[in-house]
Amino acid sequence: GAVVSQHPSRVICKSGTSVKIECRSLDFQATTMFWYRQFPKQSLMLMATSNEGSKATYEQGVEKDKFLINHASLTLSTLTVTSAHPEDSSFYICSARVSRNTEAFFGQGTRLTVV
Amino acid sequence: AQSVTQPDIHITVSEGASLELRCNYSYGATPYLFWYVQSPGQGLQLLLKYFSGDTLVQGIKGFEAEFKRSQSSFNLRKPSVHWSDAAEYFCAVGFTGGGNKLTFGTGTQLKVEL
Repeated sequence: GAVVSQHPSRVICKSGTSVKIECRSLDFQATTMFWYRQFPKQSLMLMATSNEGSKATYEQGVEKDKFLINHASLTLSTLTVTSAHPEDSSFYICSARVSRNTEAFFGQGTRLTVV
Repeated sequence: AQSVTQPDIHITVSEGASLELRCNYSYGATPYLFWYVQSPGQGLQLLLKYFSGDTLVQGIKGFEAEFKRSQSSFNLRKPSVHWSDAAEYFCAVGFTGGGNKLTFGTGTQLKVEL
């Protein structure tokens, strides 16, 4: 299957700082990327849908000013957690798809710890 | 809105025994159904998917799943479990196409006893 790479795999940042997570489709062009959040021992919750060249669509309850998503190219989407707080500590996973009727492929996730 | 229920939070089986993980969904139209496996601290790996056609779907690592519309179920099965199958398993439902955003179940943690 296609490969989706996330970077970094782990990051620790200080409270109040911002951190950027990258999601890259390595061998295909992704018109849409999805960002999920997973709390310990819980399921994945969709945060937002990112379409190349347009604004992301956020799920209800997700602060768009806190979780900035940019999908500037067909192979890269970024999630920036602004003014991070300890409650933002979580596992963030992206997925990417080619088109509406194709499956989405998942990255390996990023463990964010805010201290 | 669609929803997915995985009634078993934890399951323990002996190596070599058969396995069935349950998944029920709630959705008004024909869903697109997926099973993913996640090892600790890792992303998700797709085991199998159902879009249409044959209701018995074969996946990787010897897994299969059967879509039963009448029961709104998509249970995952494996005839003989290996110790390396120990992981978290997620059932997910999508709509209007295989790549659209997914709704995940709460997951089933599988433990394999040697």
